[in-house]
Amino acid sequence: DVKVTQSSRYLVKRTGEKVFLECVQDMDHENMFWYRQDPGLGLRLIYFSYDVKMKEKGDIPEGYSVSREKKERFSLILESASTNQTSMYLCASRQGQGDEQYFGPGTRLTVT
Amino acid sequence: AQSVSQHNHHVILSEAASLELGCNYSYGGTVNLFWYVQYPGQHLQLLLKYFSGDPLVKGIKGFEAEFIKSKFSFNLRKPSVQWSDTAEYFCAVSENMNTGFQKLVFGTGTRLLVSP
Repeated sequence: DVKVTQSSRYLVKRTGEKVFLECVQDMDHENMFWYRQDPGLGLRLIYFSYDVKMKEKGDIPEGYSVSREKKERFSLILESASTNQTSMYLCASRQGQGDEQYFGPGTRLTVT
Repeated sequence: AQSVSQHNHHVILSEAASLELGCNYSYGGTVNLFWYVQYPGQHLQLLLKYFSGDPLVKGIKGFEAEFIKSKFSFNLRKPSVQWSDTAEYFCAVSENMNTGFQKLVFGTGTRLLVSP
């Protein structure tokens, strides 16, 4: 069974703080993704990585960066958290093009 | 760019009623199509997918979807819903980026509430 884990289910941070969200997958998948999920907006792609140390911007990358130093781990970084980044953050992984994406449980981030 | 429309944002049904959730996408050509489900408090999981072949796809838990290329649609159906089908349902369509990488574009989701 594929497992995608995220470091926190709930997180509360203050405006201006640097925030790290961690994601780990245990199936040796090549591709990893970070989405944010907001009511009425569905899932929007922030960043993705197709290989170790390789990353690409998604549809809404502003205010975020990512890091993939090891194949199994993909981190999302909020350099200076703002209230409009309050959201549910979902990590996903897949083996390759066209394959099913497996999702983690999500991190609900609140920025006050 | 690809866009995905799910016209029903909230659907309320009684148990045993039939379900059809609409999904339309904007860009033609070869696409891969998915329906994901998110049960309360759980992570997103795949219900079914279409890549090619028979346009009527069967998934888990009695769900099925029909790909109609001429209508750019991939509607989700279930003949008789159960209370346990209460969840949020997301349609997703593949999009090939300039780099050749294929990403998914998700719809805004449909919240289904099934009353016992």
